[in-house]
Amino acid sequence: AQSVAQPEDQVNVAEGNPLTVKCTYSVSGNPYLFWYVQYPNRGLQFLLKYITGDNLVKGSYGFEAEFNKSQTSFHLKKPSALVSDSALYFCAVRDKAGNNRKLIWGLGTSLAVNP
Amino acid sequence: GAVVSQHPSWVICKSGTSVKIECRSLDFQATTMFWYRQFPKQSLMLMATSNEGSKATYEQGVEKDKFLINHASLTLSTLTVTSAHPEDSSFYICSATGQGYNSPLHFGNGTRLTVT
Repeated sequence: AQSVAQPEDQVNVAEGNPLTVKCTYSVSGNPYLFWYVQYPNRGLQFLLKYITGDNLVKGSYGFEAEFNKSQTSFHLKKPSALVSDSALYFCAVRDKAGNNRKLIWGLGTSLAVNP
Repeated sequence: GAVVSQHPSWVICKSGTSVKIECRSLDFQATTMFWYRQFPKQSLMLMATSNEGSKATYEQGVEKDKFLINHASLTLSTLTVTSAHPEDSSFYICSATGQGYNSPLHFGNGTRLTVT
């Protein structure tokens, strides 16, 4: 079965420091991976995706993610965190079973950037 | 581009009444829409998948007669919570995607439903 794990419920980082939000996955075949961000009482916003090609994917708001096939990871990164980056981050993998387009979601990681 | 509008953003209703939530794709044709439910500090729970012009596919454990989904056009899907109970109080989020298989999901801003 395909799954996504976000091992950290919460990540705290000081403003200006680099941040990493971890995600590991388990899929059969090639993974299609996504990161989304959710601000309080709002829907989710798409940040970036990995389908194929370069392992380093650049996305919105200065975020990037590195696909690592050997470690089955897709960690989200940003070189310099902003207070406004504080939000809930979700990693997701495409459910390829049955040719449907559902996403399988991680449980989310709450990022707190301290001034 | 790729804006999804969800309405209302919040609603309070009495137990036993029905509530309709609308989800519209404003600048693209949404061949598939997803309805999610989110509990406080928890991940998204997929309720159902709807494709334009066909019946919604409900996830296991979701009552289709209670959560009525209609996807009558390529830009509109509705979720009706029938005979609402306090335990239906939650944050409901819709998302829509276009035709490309790996097109990202675009989300509405969610609806906070409170049943009293």
